[in-house]
Amino acid sequence: SQQGEEDPQALSIQEGENATMNCSYKTSINNLQWYRQNSGRGLVHLILIRSNEREKHSGRLRVTLDTSKKSSSLLITASRAADTASYFCATDRQGAQKLVFGQGTRLTINP
Amino acid sequence: GAVVSQHPSWVICKSGTSVKIECRSLDFQATTMFWYRQFPKQSLMLMATSNEGSKATYEQGVEKDKFLINHASLTLSTLTVTSAHPEDSSFYICSAPSQGQRNEQYFGPGTRLTVT
Repeated sequence: SQQGEEDPQALSIQEGENATMNCSYKTSINNLQWYRQNSGRGLVHLILIRSNEREKHSGRLRVTLDTSKKSSSLLITASRAADTASYFCATDRQGAQKLVFGQGTRLTINP
Repeated sequence: GAVVSQHPSWVICKSGTSVKIECRSLDFQATTMFWYRQFPKQSLMLMATSNEGSKATYEQGVEKDKFLINHASLTLSTLTVTSAHPEDSSFYICSAPSQGQRNEQYFGPGTRLTVT
């Protein structure tokens, strides 16, 4: 399978705590993106990080990328109950628009 | 931002029948669209790339005669699941790449297919 791995597969934390999810991939990439999916719904784009970037911030989100280890992490700070969802990383290769998704992390924020 | 719609949002059909799912880009043109399948509690798996005006490109292991894709206009791609079986029950999601250099994709809300 070309899919990447994500860990943990499931994460349950208390509201206000930080949540960290990791993603590993197998091939060289052009970009890595993170998406959120609420149960039974479509995907919402969160953040894109290019292969020549190492860290990116957007609001309460912080993404890191280590191309030498072929891995990325997504940090959500000061979590809220509304952050409960599944989170997927997705990669695309140079010159290709199609995305390869990781297996996802199911995040539950307990109030 | 750009919007992609899908119709229907859910459908139940009997084994052996065919089901058509539409994917539309509402405020932008998409020469390429992608179709994904997602089984419960699993990730998205790319099925095929839909190309406006030409044949779709299918991923390895996806039967092109079973999953017919037609990209008849710059805003519409359709996926037809032919002779559906219960194992085809899944969540089908389409996406269209953003215009410009942002490399984002806009995803439709998905279609839940249940084959009885």
